[in-house]
Amino acid sequence: AQSVTQLGSHVSVSEGALVLLRCNYSSSVPPYLFWYVQYPNQGLQLLLKYTTGATLVKGINGFEAEFKKSETSFHLTKPSAHMSDAAEYFCAAYMDSNYQLIWGAGTKLIIKP
Amino acid sequence: DAGITQSPRHKVTETGTPVTLRCHQTENHRYMYWYRQDPGHGLRLIHYSYGVKDTDKGEVSDGYSVSRSKTEDFLLTLESATSSQTSVYFCAISENGRSEQYFGPGTRLTVT
Repeated sequence: AQSVTQLGSHVSVSEGALVLLRCNYSSSVPPYLFWYVQYPNQGLQLLLKYTTGATLVKGINGFEAEFKKSETSFHLTKPSAHMSDAAEYFCAAYMDSNYQLIWGAGTKLIIKP
Repeated sequence: DAGITQSPRHKVTETGTPVTLRCHQTENHRYMYWYRQDPGHGLRLIHYSYGVKDTDKGEVSDGYSVSRSKTEDFLLTLESATSSQTSVYFCAISENGRSEQYFGPGTRLTVT
């Protein structure tokens, strides 16, 4: 079955440290991939997307993600965490010919002062 | 921000009553979606629409119906609310079937 897997329901990093949130997908063809962020009591906001072309994608708030076909991954990174990055992050994908987004379970990012 | 509003933003209702949630967009996007979000379950698709009067079921459609009579409005109806339908409901829109989705602010529904 098609799926999107986010490793770690909670990730804790110190302020100023590297942020790495992992996302893997299962699909026979390269999917369209997205990262969203959700702050408490708010809707989801698009961080970045990959459809075709350059595999390193830059998004808002200093985040970027790299599509690696050989690893079926689309990990989200930020060089230096800020307290304002504390939120829940969701990876999602359109896979094969399906028009429904497949969602990961989400990762809560905790920033330690 | 994409022009998406949801109403009401909060609602408390009793078991067995019908409830209708409204999603309104000003972007003229073809696709509209209803999701529910529950702790431990992430986002789950209830129904979606790919045009006026064109709708299809998602993974958790039992107990829900939808209607779309205009491009800008997508209604979600709980025919007879149950406590298991207590959740946060999000509407989303997208320009086509494989483009990014933009989300509304959500409706928090409590069924007592």
